[in-house]
Amino acid sequence: GENVEQHPSTLSVQEGDSAVIKCTYSDSASNYFPWYKQELGKGPQLIIDIRSNVGEKKDQRIAVTLNKTAKHFSLHITETQPEDSAVYFCAAYSSASKIIFGSGTRLSIRP
Amino acid sequence: NAGVTQTPKFRVLKTGQSMTLLCAQDMNHEYMYWYRQDPGMGLRLIHYSVGEGTTAKGEVPDGYNVSRLKKQNFLLGLESAAPSQTSVYFCATDTLIGTQYFGPGTRLLVL
Repeated sequence: GENVEQHPSTLSVQEGDSAVIKCTYSDSASNYFPWYKQELGKGPQLIIDIRSNVGEKKDQRIAVTLNKTAKHFSLHITETQPEDSAVYFCAAYSSASKIIFGSGTRLSIRP
Repeated sequence: NAGVTQTPKFRVLKTGQSMTLLCAQDMNHEYMYWYRQDPGMGLRLIHYSVGEGTTAKGEVPDGYNVSRLKKQNFLLGLESAAPSQTSVYFCATDTLIGTQYFGPGTRLLVL
């Protein structure tokens, strides 16, 4: 079946540094790529998304890039802050497969 | 506007007992989903519904049943709970373009 691979599974960065999480998808019909942030004890929340007709999207300190040819997309967080510590999930959506989630990245921000 | 709510928040069951998890939404979304989240496994789809009166199997449906009698409610049933069903369960709704809104989760422990 279709799948989404996410790397790394854990990531620790110094406060103020940048963090990058990468995902690869298999369904070439995927056309929507959301990223979710899950804080401890809560459900995942959408933080940014990108559609297949766009290569990059930015919202303040977070940005997402998409390479449809290579079938991979990435989340970039700049100037990391303690409140960025959480588990991040990428996902790929197509009308056939619906939404498929990556396995998650646990991001820790070191003070 | 409560969004997506889940009942109960936490439950302890003995092996063989049954229970029903309730998901309610006031967002008027057609699609609803049930996921389970286990450590290191990300989110795995149990069952989903594309509208009132419809249900479909996801990636890990065995041991679970669902019903969508009303558009705003999606019920997940465990007929005979097993320790392997110890997990955190999330309900989500979908905007038809892939953006999902998650409930706060139900933590289930099966002894």
